[in-house]
Amino acid sequence: EPEVTQTPSHQVTQMGQEVILRCVPISNHLYFYWYRQILGQKVEFLVSFYNNEISEKSEIFDDQFSVERPDGSNFTLKIRSTKLEDSAMYFCASSEVRGGSGELFFGEGSRLTVL
Amino acid sequence: AQSVTQLDSQVPVFEEAPVELRCNYSSSVSVYLFWYVQYPNQGLQLLLKYLSGSTLVESINGFEAEFNKSQTSFHLRKPSVHISDTAEYFCAVSELQGAQKLVFGQGTRLTINP
Repeated sequence: EPEVTQTPSHQVTQMGQEVILRCVPISNHLYFYWYRQILGQKVEFLVSFYNNEISEKSEIFDDQFSVERPDGSNFTLKIRSTKLEDSAMYFCASSEVRGGSGELFFGEGSRLTVL
Repeated sequence: AQSVTQLDSQVPVFEEAPVELRCNYSSSVSVYLFWYVQYPNQGLQLLLKYLSGSTLVESINGFEAEFNKSQTSFHLRKPSVHISDTAEYFCAVSELQGAQKLVFGQGTRLTINP
């Protein structure tokens, strides 16, 4: 069964360092997303991406964050200079269709710990 | 803007007992409603969704949820739970129009005791 895969599963970094989280969405999907969950808090939308550009982003997704689809398979989230409050589980998701009715397929998440 | 409230952060039940996980939402526009499940060490998986039509929707593993517009609720139920149902359950909504941006509740951890 096709699935979304994420790497690394856990990354520990020092404050101020750059981090890249990687995702391989399901191959025929066209819409890609990043969500995050800070420990004990809700899963929050960060950004959606379609046709090689951001289609929507939340206020969390500031200039420190960027997304890219560098080739035909990977979808990356970069945090330029990590802060302590960036510690969270980051989930990548993809969907085949646009619009609220479509099913999102999530990866297992990448846990980021910023020290 | 939408918001979702899951009233119980943890629900412990005995195996074969019934369970209800509560979800209430608020929104100024019509929304789609979802329940996602996260089993230990796995990603979020869609359990069931309400888009339109019958207000009672069912999953393949015996869960059901009923959309109640007047009470703005979408509670999840199962008449008899199994150990394998142990997981975290997330209620979510998205707008009918626009991108698939889910707004999640805080999750309910369902623990099944033998």
